[in-house]
Amino acid sequence: DGGITQSPKYLFRKEGQNVTLSCEQNLNHDAMYWYRQDPGQGLRLIYYSQIVNDFQKGDIAEGYSVSREKKESFPLTVTSAQKNPTAFYLCASSRTGRSFFGQGTRLTVV
Amino acid sequence: GIQVEQSPPDLILQEGANSTLRCNFSDSVNNLQWFHQNPWGQLINLFYIPSGTKQNGRLSATTVATERYSLLYISSSQTTDSGVYFCAVEPRETSGSRLTFGEGTQLTVNP
Repeated sequence: DGGITQSPKYLFRKEGQNVTLSCEQNLNHDAMYWYRQDPGQGLRLIYYSQIVNDFQKGDIAEGYSVSREKKESFPLTVTSAQKNPTAFYLCASSRTGRSFFGQGTRLTVV
Repeated sequence: GIQVEQSPPDLILQEGANSTLRCNFSDSVNNLQWFHQNPWGQLINLFYIPSGTKQNGRLSATTVATERYSLLYISSSQTTDSGVYFCAVEPRETSGSRLTFGEGTQLTVNP
């Protein structure tokens, strides 16, 4: 099936640790995105990439890093510099203006 | 940056009722999408509708770009329509589907 796969579904992190969230797509989309969602709120853009080996900061990039070495993959690292990382993280890809989302990763700091 | 306001914030319906959700935005856009987030967090793309009217089954959407608003109509609502409906826009001066989301309308459909 074509789609966007995020893993893991749930992730627990100790304070001071870096963690990496996986996002893979087989839709052959050039553009990929990472969004953060806090309870009761809309999504906010963290990073996006329109082509392999290139990416740009979104509205809330501080404390996060990404890479885009392959068209299919856009992993997000939540670093220890992110002061409030507990949130729901959603990966998306887009083509001809329409965006499609993975099922999300719920990250909790313990 | 562009502002996106959705109304109402909460809506409770009986099964079979119709509803209209509204999205106002503060600047010209070249991309507007409606999404449904189910109780498990999955976002489903309902419409890509920067202007005009589209219909998909019991759902339809209209965007009046010149007046900076979009409406999502749900007819004959079902309990499976429950969830959060988001409007998301991309300002005209940007590119790459960088979406700004509203805070959503929480819809509850009771049997």
